[in-house]
Amino acid sequence: NAGVMQNPRHLVRRRGQEARLRCSPMKGHSHVYWYRQLPEEGLKFMVYLQKENIIDESGMPKERFSAEFPKEGPSILRIQQVVRGDSAAYFCASSPLASNQPQHFGDGTRLSIL
Amino acid sequence: TQLLEQSPQFLSIQEGENLTVYCNSSSVFSSLQWYRQEPGEGPVLLVTVVTGGEVKKLKRLTFQFGDARKDSSLHITAAQPGDTGLYLCAGSTGNQFYFGTGTSLTVIP
Repeated sequence: NAGVMQNPRHLVRRRGQEARLRCSPMKGHSHVYWYRQLPEEGLKFMVYLQKENIIDESGMPKERFSAEFPKEGPSILRIQQVVRGDSAAYFCASSPLASNQPQHFGDGTRLSIL
Repeated sequence: TQLLEQSPQFLSIQEGENLTVYCNSSSVFSSLQWYRQEPGEGPVLLVTVVTGGEVKKLKRLTFQFGDARKDSSLHITAAQPGDTGLYLCAGSTGNQFYFGTGTSLTVIP
């Protein structure tokens, strides 16, 4: 019973490098969401994707951040030229139907920028 | 703009006590979820409420959705150390899904 799988669990990058975070949704789920979380805080919505389409990216910074969910393979959240402020936990969630359905979360990727 | 405000933000209680966490908004939601998150893990879905006034029970946890579907509460009876964690409410409206600010609960043995 595979849930939402995220990798890597921990990622360390130096300032200026690129970070790639991967998310495989639950089997049968075609909707993927990315969130960012700082310690002791709630989740901040970043982007909502369906297969091959970005549905809502209103929470994602316009520069350096991009997301995709190709027809085959996992969803990717890509951060270019990382800065210290990008350090956070990034969570992926998936749902089977529309965005108003309960979401199931992965265990996140902890990104640390040196 | 934070659509969902949770209170209290932090709560530390003794084992055996009761507590209530509130999730408030000025917006109407088609459904509302409660999640619990432990350190180093992702949020885990506890319950979904859909109908205004709905009450759901999950062992010692009681969830209520406000009549107007703008707010919700989570009541825990006889809290145990295993209840420690970050409790998050989340509401959906149309194509949007919003998370609350979170309540960090610590239950002291």
